Amino acid sequence: EVQLVESGGGLVQPGGSLRLSCAASGFTLTTYWMSWVRQAPGKGLEWVANINKDGSEEYYVDAVKGRFAISRDNAKKSVYLEMNSLRAEDTALYYCARRGFVSSLDYWGPGTLVTVSS
Amino acid sequence: DIQMTQSPSTLSASVGDRVTISCRASQRIDIWLAWYQQKPGRAPKLLIYKASNLEIGVPSRFSGSGSGTEFTLTISSLQPDDFSTYFCQQYTSYPWTFGQGTKVEIK
Repeated sequence: EVQLVESGGGLVQPGGSLRLSCAASGFTLTTYWMSWVRQAPGKGLEWVANINKDGSEEYYVDAVKGRFAISRDNAKKSVYLEMNSLRAEDTALYYCARRGFVSSLDYWGPGTLVTVSS
Repeated sequence: DIQMTQSPSTLSASVGDRVTISCRASQRIDIWLAWYQQKPGRAPKLLIYKASNLEIGVPSRFSGSGSGTEFTLTISSLQPDDFSTYFCQQYTSYPWTFGQGTKVEIK
């Protein structure tokens, strides 16, 4: 069974940093691109970042470019999102998701909540 | 960026109704469109990919159509489990973008 489990969320002050982790199981991580998507409280979905199979390509939404970094460790079956210079508008539930071969985001984790507030 | 616009934002319907949700892209996206269902407090669930392909395990009452800039999600006979919020998403170019969502409520 495919499972994605996020961790690392919490309360952080504006300007602070957090590192989110996504533990993958039930499939061969090395054969899939991976994504992070976020959802502010009561709002819609916003794609944040993608990383290719070996970590050599990364893509970001403009709102996080230069502040967030997606990475992966296939040996540890994990994907990460390093978040720096956090702002109030980064407050959201952050989902890790698997990109299917042609199907966009076919599996999602339950999410981890990031709250940026003083 | 490609803007995705869904209509309506809210839809009131009864069990057994045929329901149609529209999604319009600001640029042509061929068929690189997905539909998701999200229930309160839960992660989104993929329903349809490449505009009209049903994800494994999704009931056949769900269907998708369209190409280019105009897309439709149809639920042929609404069931109690279908009262949720639905999002479309384009994945033809970065940044990937989602529609604002359509909430299907009980009439």
